[in-house]
Amino acid sequence: DAGITQSPRHKVTETGTPVTLRCHQTENHRYMYWYRQDPGHGLRLIHYSYGVKDTDKGEVSDGYSVSRSKTEDFLLTLESATSSQTSVYFCAISAMNTQYFGPGTRLTVL
Amino acid sequence: AQSVSQHNHHVILSEAASLELGCNYSYGGTVNLFWYVQYPGQHLQLLLKYFSGDPLVKGIKGFEAEFIKSKFSFNLRKPSVQWSDTAEYFCAVTPNYNQGGKLIFGQGTELSVKP
Repeated sequence: DAGITQSPRHKVTETGTPVTLRCHQTENHRYMYWYRQDPGHGLRLIHYSYGVKDTDKGEVSDGYSVSRSKTEDFLLTLESATSSQTSVYFCAISAMNTQYFGPGTRLTVL
Repeated sequence: AQSVSQHNHHVILSEAASLELGCNYSYGGTVNLFWYVQYPGQHLQLLLKYFSGDPLVKGIKGFEAEFIKSKFSFNLRKPSVQWSDTAEYFCAVTPNYNQGGKLIFGQGTELSVKP
């Protein structure tokens, strides 16, 4: 299970509104990741973090920002949501060079 | 750029049939390889992984995979599938020098097993 929770689990929002998704882990892992999952694309990395206040961009980072002010929380923010950001968002941690995933957040942008 | 290719997008099998899902990657160096499974409505779960050593690795639920370095492949196999194996399967790769490395995923293969 890796002690990962995500909130909210489901969200419907309107185009242009800001949205923040939260990933919380209980096991003090250094590395955390945000992916989005879309049909036909598998999972694509949005941003990742290698420590508190240390973050970097992934493959599909445009329109997203992240923050990590404490080890256990990694926040993903859509500054101004667009319909193309409708997706399922998964958080992951890395332990022993293996990534483990949270339950996901289904985001719908109308 | 690194990429991972899964040859089959959707596979339909009857129970007890054998399964092989293809995965090829493009990266010239040493890699860590993974197969994840996603049951309907659930998150990704690790099936098995390969870092080094015996190229035939065994995972959970009777799955195994074989790493063939010369073919840049890491195919997933199961001798006899069950209805409960219906899920989406993802192959993923990361360079093994990369602590906490970013995973590159294939597009996924949806497996439907008919009872």
